[in-house]
Amino acid sequence: DQQVKQNSPSLSVQEGRISILNCDYTNSMFDYFLWYKKYPAEGPTFLISISSIKDKNEDGRFTVFLNKSAKHLSLHIVPSQPGDSAVYFCAAQTRQLTFGSGTQLTVLP
Amino acid sequence: DAGVIQSPRHEVTEMGQEVTLRCKPISGHDYLFWYRQTMMRGLELLIYFNNNVPIDDSGMPEDRFSAKMPNASFSTLKIQPSEPRDSAVYFCASSLGQGIYNEQFFGPGTRLTVL
Repeated sequence: DQQVKQNSPSLSVQEGRISILNCDYTNSMFDYFLWYKKYPAEGPTFLISISSIKDKNEDGRFTVFLNKSAKHLSLHIVPSQPGDSAVYFCAAQTRQLTFGSGTQLTVLP
Repeated sequence: DAGVIQSPRHEVTEMGQEVTLRCKPISGHDYLFWYRQTMMRGLELLIYFNNNVPIDDSGMPEDRFSAKMPNASFSTLKIQPSEPRDSAVYFCASSLGQGIYNEQFFGPGTRLTVL
């Protein structure tokens, strides 16, 4: 039973528009949430994170929102750029990281 | 720093053969993690080490899988015998510490294909 779910395997967005990637979790013990980005033939790299005591964290074009009551988090990318095309993994943490299955984002020029 | 190094980058083998994947963590990192990526399940933690000692191997799928860390700069993940369902990308990651605020740095992965 997956504790972290990314229900959209893929997403296509036009350059300059907003990309919204979603993630749901089931374990209320998770206290820290992260997004990793992965390019082909490379390992995942850390992108942005949020503590469970916050509901928003912003870093440049990237913003992560956390809705604890709904056990839902999302990653917003504004404006989207072709270089953002990658697989995005949502992860949740207690002691270790639990990852979702990933969402392939394609930003069309 | 060269980052986490994994070898080989690609491995193609036949069912029943032994496969050994290798990892060199970032120098000074006390934690080493082995993950497996599949389309259906995403990134799954297989096992992790602290100071060369295996701490949690509950993610290792079967007894056919084993991992060792003989020293702070080297770890192996072995599959014996391999099966087609083991085909996946295997990642090694390392971190300074455990828990939040301890970023895990991933290697480029080993793509394993078992025919």
